Amino acid sequence: DGGITQSPKYLFRKEGQNVTLSCEQNLNHDAMYWYRQDPGQGLRLIYYSQIVNDFQKGDIAEGYSVSREKKESFPLTVTSAQKNPTAFYLCASSIPPGQGIYGYTFGSGTRLTVV
Amino acid sequence: DAKTTQPPSMDCAEGRAANLPCNHSTISGNEYVYWYRQIHSQGPQYIIHGLKNNETNEMASLIITEDRKSSTLILPHATLRDTAVYYCIVRVWSGGSQGNLIFGKGTKLSVKP
Repeated sequence: DGGITQSPKYLFRKEGQNVTLSCEQNLNHDAMYWYRQDPGQGLRLIYYSQIVNDFQKGDIAEGYSVSREKKESFPLTVTSAQKNPTAFYLCASSIPPGQGIYGYTFGSGTRLTVV
Repeated sequence: DAKTTQPPSMDCAEGRAANLPCNHSTISGNEYVYWYRQIHSQGPQYIIHGLKNNETNEMASLIITEDRKSSTLILPHATLRDTAVYYCIVRVWSGGSQGNLIFGKGTKLSVKP
């Protein structure tokens, strides 16, 4: 079945450490996205990529980095520069805006906790 | 910022229709209305979208007013599994960042037995 997979489901990080969250999709979607969600809040866009080897900052990119070396994969690194990284992280994919009016497919999320 | 306004919470009795309103008074002619829902601790799930005509699928119906400044998502027979946060989003059909989905806080729908 086609879908989008995030791993791990839960992640604990010590202060000062970098961690990488995985996102893989087999939907053949060109566009991929990373969102952050804090308790009781909506989703905020961190980074997005509309094509391989290209990505753009979203609204809250500071302290995060991404890469898009393969169409299927869009890993997110939470660096030590992110001052409050504890949150629920969601990855999504879609046909790029302008090429279709379809919605996003989301993964099941990674809950990151700084200990 | 989100371009939509939704009530923060609503209750609905199981088996009854749930009508979730959304205001999008500044919507542009090339912007679609999308609805997603998020069950606790899961990723959002696409429900339906529309431009100006009413739409229906196996999950819900979307009613858009003639002036397109508001819409209503209808779950015809709500079940306990429909308890979730429902997001109404307007999205332009174009390339670049304008086409990205921007989520507000949504409406928390509680379906009660």
